[in-house]
Amino acid sequence: GQNIDQPTEMTATEGAIVQINCTYQTSGFNGLFWYQQHAGEAPTFLSYNVLDGLEEKGRFSSFLSRSKGYSYLLLKELQMKDSASYLCAVREGGGKLIFGQGTELSVKP
Amino acid sequence: SQTIHQWPATLVQPVGSPLSLECTVEGTSNPNLYWYRQAAGRGLQLLFYSVGIGQISSEVPQNLSASRPQDRQFILSSKKLLLSDSGFYLCACFETVGTQYFGPGTRLLVL
Repeated sequence: GQNIDQPTEMTATEGAIVQINCTYQTSGFNGLFWYQQHAGEAPTFLSYNVLDGLEEKGRFSSFLSRSKGYSYLLLKELQMKDSASYLCAVREGGGKLIFGQGTELSVKP
Repeated sequence: SQTIHQWPATLVQPVGSPLSLECTVEGTSNPNLYWYRQAAGRGLQLLFYSVGIGQISSEVPQNLSASRPQDRQFILSSKKLLLSDSGFYLCACFETVGTQYFGPGTRLLVL
């Protein structure tokens, strides 16, 4: 079966670092995506991992371990505008993305 | 770079009425196109995907249908809407380099 798990919600302080975890069990694997979605808006692409290891892009980094079925998104120097839902998604065959339920991140001053 | 257009942005429809949502893509050719639905407070559910003109794969049995009459056009339809069809409908395009982008979405409320 297909299963992608993320924490439902997290809270962090402005300027801090937060790590959002994602575990997955899918019938196929052709990469893992992270998206950011602000309330009422469409998701925007953050990162893509297909090989094990860490991908860094500015304040955001994403890690993948295929053997463990595990990924995390790391957000550094948190800003108030980072308050949003963060979606983990696994690509299966045909380019289809299977999404987790999303993690609602609240950044407090 | 590609641009995804969706319309309308917002739609309020009565139960039992028909539906037609349109998605068009610019800046790419022969894209894989996808329709997702996001219910309030829920994750994204893949509804349909298409790898080419006239080719549609359905992921979830329901009263919705999809068509791809042109390379860069993807349409989501229903003959009779249900209350449970309410949600945020997102069209997405997959690029071969490994990124999938979403359109701005259509918010549908069925009353």
